[in-house]
Amino acid sequence: QKEVEQNSGPLSVPEGAIASLNCTYSDRVSQSFFWYRQYSGKSPELIMSIYSNGDKEDGRFTAQLNKASQYVSLLIRDSQPSDSATYLCAVTGRWGKLQFGAGTQVVVTP
Amino acid sequence: KAGVTQTPRYLIKTRGQQVTLSCSPISGHRSVSWYQQTPGQGLQFLFEYFSETQRNKGNFPGRFSGRQFSNSRSEMNVSTLELGDSALYLCASSLFETAGGTQYFGPGTRLLVL
Repeated sequence: QKEVEQNSGPLSVPEGAIASLNCTYSDRVSQSFFWYRQYSGKSPELIMSIYSNGDKEDGRFTAQLNKASQYVSLLIRDSQPSDSATYLCAVTGRWGKLQFGAGTQVVVTP
Repeated sequence: KAGVTQTPRYLIKTRGQQVTLSCSPISGHRSVSWYQQTPGQGLQFLFEYFSETQRNKGNFPGRFSGRQFSNSRSEMNVSTLELGDSALYLCASSLFETAGGTQYFGPGTRLLVL
């Protein structure tokens, strides 16, 4: 079992709609959770970090964390073509290593 | 504030050679982590340095090594290159150790091994 799992996609989303990305992790003691966006040929850039259960909103992005279910998600509201990218979920495990999921490719269609 | 810089950006080597990649973190950041990214394996953690000490190491063979200098700049070295080492090597810096800090990535070094 991989430590951080994501659906690989592609997730096709109409422009203006909500994109919903999911991530599960295996290490129950994980403390820090991150979402990175990576455009093709570029390096990952941080979108959101979340550390406690519940929702965290930043502009059009909302991260949701449920530690009991070992689940973290990212919602992108009013999706734009510029949101087309691969979204990486990352989790800091018990040994302090940052583990990444394989990423979910999002394609926003006009 | 300048971001994370990595040199060189592109590199072509042949099997059996060795390579050294360099990373300069964001000013004031003391932690540097290295990752290998390939289409098949995704982003995989290589190692983390904090205040010149290796704090964590991923599951890579001993051919992969690194170090950090007193100014927080870091280098990673791969000896006896194999075809499978072709990848994008990413460096990330953070203010604190990974467990407590947010990481910011550099542009990466794309290594091609022929």
